[in-house]
Amino acid sequence: DQQVKQNSPSLSVQEGRISILNCDYTNSMFDYFLWYKKYPAEGPTFLISISSIKDKNEDGRFTVFLNKSAKHLSLHIVPSQPGDSAVYFCAASGRRAGGTSYGKLTFGQGTILTVHP
Amino acid sequence: KAGVTQTPRYLIKTRGQQVTLSCSPISGHRSVSWYQQTPGQGLQFLFEYFSETQRNKGNFPGRFSGRQFSNSRSEMNVSTLELGDSALYLCASSGLAGAYNEQFFGPGTRLTVL
Repeated sequence: DQQVKQNSPSLSVQEGRISILNCDYTNSMFDYFLWYKKYPAEGPTFLISISSIKDKNEDGRFTVFLNKSAKHLSLHIVPSQPGDSAVYFCAASGRRAGGTSYGKLTFGQGTILTVHP
Repeated sequence: KAGVTQTPRYLIKTRGQQVTLSCSPISGHRSVSWYQQTPGQGLQFLFEYFSETQRNKGNFPGRFSGRQFSNSRSEMNVSTLELGDSALYLCASSGLAGAYNEQFFGPGTRLTVL
């Protein structure tokens, strides 16, 4: 039962262009979403998050959009840089689930982003 | 501020043995979560500790256990190792006590079971 899905295993973009990574979720109890970037042999690095009371959050080159009705979120990276090449994970958490949510993030399977110079 | 540290970084064990992994959270963080990452299952939540108490547990067998000390450092233990326990074990800390929060991850411990 995959509650958070990243349907694109990989994405390839040209340097300077926009990268759009997508994520879908099925659990309506999720109300907080995060994106992480991961390089090989390292732990995930937090990028940006969004609460369900918002539909957009921006931090520098990174913007996350949330469509609650579609249970869909996306991460936009503009402009893309070769150093952005990594695996990107979408994660979700839900406060309304109470104790079963404490400290628990549910992750998607990840999307490998490659930015070509 | 130093990040989350995990020791050891690499570990090789044989089936049937047990192993203990250690995690030191970011200074001031009281919540520590553990995850298992495998190619087939992705990142799976193991358990979370806050103020020395396990508050939440994922769907793993009882061979996986953990604890947290008064200084917030945490350990996880896997007994009677199986080949399928080979994975990257990640710990993450958070400064917030709430149910949803940004977690900051360590580099992980790569466990290989032969």
